[in-house]
Amino acid sequence: KAGVTQTPRYLIKTRGQQVTLSCSPISGHRSVSWYQQTPGQGLQFLFEYFSETQRNKGNFPGRFSGRQFSNSRSEMNVSTLELGDSALYLCASSLSGQGAETQYFGPGTRLLVL
Amino acid sequence: AQSVTQPDIHITVSEGASLELRCNYSYGATPYLFWYVQSPGQGLQLLLKYFSGDTLVQGIKGFEAEFKRSQSSFNLRKPSVHWSDAAEYFCAVGVTGFQKLVFGTGTRLLVSP
Repeated sequence: KAGVTQTPRYLIKTRGQQVTLSCSPISGHRSVSWYQQTPGQGLQFLFEYFSETQRNKGNFPGRFSGRQFSNSRSEMNVSTLELGDSALYLCASSLSGQGAETQYFGPGTRLLVL
Repeated sequence: AQSVTQPDIHITVSEGASLELRCNYSYGATPYLFWYVQSPGQGLQLLLKYFSGDTLVQGIKGFEAEFKRSQSSFNLRKPSVHWSDAAEYFCAVGVTGFQKLVFGTGTRLLVSP
């Protein structure tokens, strides 16, 4: 079974631009979570989607948004990029999003904001 | 609030020596706990997990971890380290009812010849 895939793997943007990252979960997984990883703040939870609904959101500004499609693929969008948004963005999927489940991570998208 | 502490930022171990990475968590309910490993430029790979039951859990690549409720700890161990184990290791606690992981700051493992 294929793992979690994320596209693109690398991205360079300039301040003020917006960016969209994509995540395809493991086949059959319906929950998708997003995390931001930076050297200063570590791994931080952004949000989680299940059945096209955002169920949980971390402490990030409204510039960070996401969505999930009926096939469970998810996108996250960052508008008005700031230098501090440079990070590795990781997507994780789990089966049903109920109770204690294992999250499986993709390889990440590395975003550099200039 | 949930939190995870990994007190060691860097650890250097000689190849063939044993390894123990420390993890302490703070969580009001019964935790479910994970160890992930990240190689440079890569995503996170699951090493092992604890949900319930036997407090000593076995994982991939010869790793094991022991859940100690009284100490709020979930330390990762390996009896003999290989050079390929050099990576960053993250302990995480899962928040019940949400698909959200709270991670520690990570421990970077260096393996010396």
